[in-house]
Amino acid sequence: GEDVEQSLFLSVREGDSSVINCTYTDSSSTYLYWYKQEPGAGLQLLTYIFSNMDMKQDQRLTVLLNKKDKHLSLRIADTQTGDSAIYFCAETPGANNLFFGTGTRLTVIP
Amino acid sequence: EAGVAQSPRYKIIEKRQSVAFWCNPISGHATLYWYQQILGQGPKLLIQFQNNGVVDDSQLPKDRFSAERLKGVDSTLKIQPAKLEDSAVYLCASSYRLQGPNSGNTIYFGEGSWLTVV
Repeated sequence: GEDVEQSLFLSVREGDSSVINCTYTDSSSTYLYWYKQEPGAGLQLLTYIFSNMDMKQDQRLTVLLNKKDKHLSLRIADTQTGDSAIYFCAETPGANNLFFGTGTRLTVIP
Repeated sequence: EAGVAQSPRYKIIEKRQSVAFWCNPISGHATLYWYQQILGQGPKLLIQFQNNGVVDDSQLPKDRFSAERLKGVDSTLKIQPAKLEDSAVYLCASSYRLQGPNSGNTIYFGEGSWLTVV
């Protein structure tokens, strides 16, 4: 079955880079997604990557994909206090659904 | 464009009572999802509609949960009778095309309806 694993917590200092890691199990996932959830809010799509790519950059965000190891990472450059949130990676085990990890809570220390 | 709208935002009920959540997806979005997010976990799919038909309800506890999307736009999720373990955030989401996220079809989420069962 599907399983998406993330570390639960990450703390970084403001201005440093954050790297959030994720491992997934479904090799048929064509797209892999990163969502952000701020306190009391829904999920906001940050970025996604197509499985035949190994890197995607979007402003301060860089997604790295190692398909052989089924490892996905999200790097946030110049992390700001507004980046404090829970970050979810999600695989797409079938045509219809997103399967989420447990989320990584990022705390940015001023 | 307006996002996915959900109501109520917060609800507290006693166990064995019933509750209903409403969702209005982004205009023109054919696919609508309901997810359950228990505190400390990622969201899990309960049910998916395409227009007014059910695509996947395999994870919906049908003895107590029901959902409908009668005219292919708004949707209602009902829980009756509620149990303590139903305390969670119920997230509605929608996407434009009929293809799923495995085709790069982005899913947009509402802010959620927070349910506490006491």
